[in-house]
Amino acid sequence: AQKITQTQPGMFVQEKEAVTLDCTYDTSDQSYGLFWYKQPSSGEMIFLIYQGSYDEQNATEGRYSLNFQKARKSANLVISASQLGDSAMYFCAMRDDQTGANNLFFGTGTRLTVIP
Amino acid sequence: DAGVTQSPTHLIKTRGQHVTLRCSPISGHKSVSWYQQVLGQGPQFIFQYYEKEERGRGNFPDRFSARQFPNYSSELNVNALLLGDSALYLCASSYIGQGAGEQYFGPGTRLTVT
Repeated sequence: AQKITQTQPGMFVQEKEAVTLDCTYDTSDQSYGLFWYKQPSSGEMIFLIYQGSYDEQNATEGRYSLNFQKARKSANLVISASQLGDSAMYFCAMRDDQTGANNLFFGTGTRLTVIP
Repeated sequence: DAGVTQSPTHLIKTRGQHVTLRCSPISGHKSVSWYQQVLGQGPQFIFQYYEKEERGRGNFPDRFSARQFPNYSSELNVNALLLGDSALYLCASSYIGQGAGEQYFGPGTRLTVT
């Protein structure tokens, strides 16, 4: 069974600094996808970044990068130059490509607070 | 382009009642998935529909059902509501049913069962 673990319930970062949010996953499948979503207090899940299990390069999207270490089964999110608007819940999720469905398995999330 | 839309935004129901939640995907997206997010937890997968057929079902009781219409919009139905059904219900759409298609979420429907 697929499992996503986010061990940091809360993180604080100074504005303009970089922060790493941890995510480890457990799967026996070879083909899978890893996602990070941001959830502000409004509740909407905002897609940030995607990494496929066969992608050799780490994914990057603007200030977001995904540090993918396949052997360690980790997919940490790095946010550079933090902004006050980055304060939110962050969820790591995995999609199993074997089942034919497009469902995501989510971790419990990390609440990021950016300090001015 | 409009994003994923969901209605209603908020809903208060009594135990034992029935509820219908609605979702319209992004134009051109044919896959819709439903998730339940209980307070303090990550979303949990309920259903996925692609081209009007059920493609996946999570570990939820038969009180939960869904369908997808020819215009790719979707409804989630919950019968015999329990207090534990109180949650944020999220709908997500994607262009393809599986593979690398990112899922884009709507704002959610917050259901309170009293």
